[in-house]
Amino acid sequence: GESVGLHLPTLSVQEGDNSIINCAYSNSASDYFIWYKQESGKGPQFIIDIRSNMDKRQGQRVTVLLNKTVKHLSLQIAATQPGDSAVYFCADSFYGQNFVFGPGTRLSVLP
Amino acid sequence: GAVVSQHPSWVICKSGTSVKIECRSLDFQATTMFWYRQFPKQSLMLMATSNEGSKATYEQGVEKDKFLINHASLTLSTLTVTSAHPEDSSFYICSARTGVGSPLHFGNGTRLTVT
Repeated sequence: GESVGLHLPTLSVQEGDNSIINCAYSNSASDYFIWYKQESGKGPQFIIDIRSNMDKRQGQRVTVLLNKTVKHLSLQIAATQPGDSAVYFCADSFYGQNFVFGPGTRLSVLP
Repeated sequence: GAVVSQHPSWVICKSGTSVKIECRSLDFQATTMFWYRQFPKQSLMLMATSNEGSKATYEQGVEKDKFLINHASLTLSTLTVTSAHPEDSSFYICSARTGVGSPLHFGNGTRLTVT
């Protein structure tokens, strides 16, 4: 991901709606991408990963989309729940080396 | 699987003292562990890569004499903040992976406050 400064983007969604969190990365050689969820005061938690030979991967309520042409990654969360409120980070790497983390997006789920 | 444990979860120390943080891989062996630092509302910044049985590799700008890393076994890496000062106050997080090309798994971090 691209760490672009001190501003932490925030996304607010209504409970039950779908969430889409976006991430840009800069290394065109990156071939492995991960989304992490970080709750306050805790370490990042693995959500889902995708390799460059795929453009979409689905998990439980989450989908990651990869667009290598524009170096863009997105995380879709279906039926967002209060427990999804956290900061979400993307990370990219080349063959699992030197992960680069994005600036993060704070997801707030409104009741 | 792939559980990483970090201890302590928080520590308060006086300026000038040293603090040791432990990172353990509980159910796998990790030849490589990673230490990150995170400031409030910011992303993770890699400090160093800890290699079992050899010297750690530090990122540019990280003082190796201040942040001592020891990786004495395949399941334990330690980070010692020497002669801590208030500007060292931060959230320190370790991570490990089961192998190259595998995701990083993180500990729950250590909140260091230097008074």
